[in-house]
Amino acid sequence: GQQVMQIPQYQHVQEGEDFTTYCNSSTTLSNIQWYKQRPGGHPVFLIQLVKSGEVKKQKRLTFQFGEAKKNSSLHITATQTTDVGTYFCARLTGTASKLTFGTGTRLQVTL
Amino acid sequence: NAGVTQTPKFQVLKTGQSMTLQCAQDMNHNSMYWYRQDPGMGLRLIYYSASEGTTDKGEVPNGYNVSRLNKREFSLRLESAAPSQTSVYFCASPDRKGVTQYFGPGTRLTVL
Repeated sequence: GQQVMQIPQYQHVQEGEDFTTYCNSSTTLSNIQWYKQRPGGHPVFLIQLVKSGEVKKQKRLTFQFGEAKKNSSLHITATQTTDVGTYFCARLTGTASKLTFGTGTRLQVTL
Repeated sequence: NAGVTQTPKFQVLKTGQSMTLQCAQDMNHNSMYWYRQDPGMGLRLIYYSASEGTTDKGEVPNGYNVSRLNKREFSLRLESAAPSQTSVYFCASPDRKGVTQYFGPGTRLTVL
């Protein structure tokens, strides 16, 4: 299937530092979703982006969809220990709402 | 309103054994999905059911069967478990708009 690549695979930051994960596709995406998965937990839906150049914010989280709709990013400002987990991007395909996930970025935050 | 529930939470099987993973949702959604998650990888779709009475293969269906028992329940069966099926299995169901996917807590399966 069409791959959605995520970088970096892992990032370790100190509390208060910023964090960004990137999602890249070789083909144009009709939409991109972001999920957070806490260690030992299940994925939790964060947001969906559908428009070229779209920017959405949720408190300290900023989500962007590229102008060409081939990439997306999630930026966390001033990380907290509660941000620890793996962040996945995913694209929704077809009429059956099937998700194709990226490989994820694991975020570790230390004091 | 429990959302999506899965049983069991943990399971250890020997190669060749069979088992059924259960999933139920109480949100009256039409679609239900089974994904597997392997270390260092994203989730991959095994099977899905777009509506009661229909099932379709996803990206990695080999070695699995599914049953959409009714609108609430969607089960995943491993007829002859293999070590390659060691994984965490998640059931999911999207809202009526098909946008927000709600995931169950997962079943952690080890095949020895």
